[in-house]
Amino acid sequence: AQSVTQLDSQVPVFEEAPVELRCNYSSSVSVYLFWYVQYPNQGLQLLLKYLSGSTLVESINGFEAEFNKSQTSFHLRKPSVHISDTAEYFCAVSAIQGAQKLVFGQGTRLTINP
Amino acid sequence: ETGVTQTPRHLVMGMTNKKSLKCEQHLGHNAMYWYKQSAKKPLELMFVYNFKEQTENNSVPSRFSPECPNSSHLFLHLHTLQPEDSALYLCASSQPAGDEQYFGPGTRLTVT
Repeated sequence: AQSVTQLDSQVPVFEEAPVELRCNYSSSVSVYLFWYVQYPNQGLQLLLKYLSGSTLVESINGFEAEFNKSQTSFHLRKPSVHISDTAEYFCAVSAIQGAQKLVFGQGTRLTINP
Repeated sequence: ETGVTQTPRHLVMGMTNKKSLKCEQHLGHNAMYWYKQSAKKPLELMFVYNFKEQTENNSVPSRFSPECPNSSHLFLHLHTLQPEDSALYLCASSQPAGDEQYFGPGTRLTVT
């Protein structure tokens, strides 16, 4: 079975500051890794994913995450945040065999202050 | 309509009521999912359907009864719920072997 730990439940930052949202996972088998974002009153949207290949993956709106197998981590980073990035961010993992069973972390609420 | 839609968006029901949540996907996918999102708890996968067949039931109480009449529609029938069942219920869809799940906006359920 897989599990996901998001180390911070809330992260407040100032606009244009850098941010890192931490995610660690546990699994005895190889996994896919995901970050989803949930804006207020909306469903989840995929932000980025790691399936294979380059361990650094990027989203279209400036976020990036790096898969670190030795540290079993998939931290999300952005060098300069905007007010519109205010949302809840969820890290998720699935086994490669059985990829439909997404296991989510508890979420990190990112609040951007002007 | 595009993507994954869910109705109603909000629902208040008593413990003796029977109600249904509806999900529809317009993405041509063949897999559909129900998730429960409670306050202070991670999203929990409830059910998975592939090509209209249930392939996963994550130990969900029988007061939740899913139905998938075709690959585009998914229902969650509710009866004799408990207050602790109050949550946001999210529907998602994907290709069966796909890696990305597309989520609907959810139904906010309150059980009184």
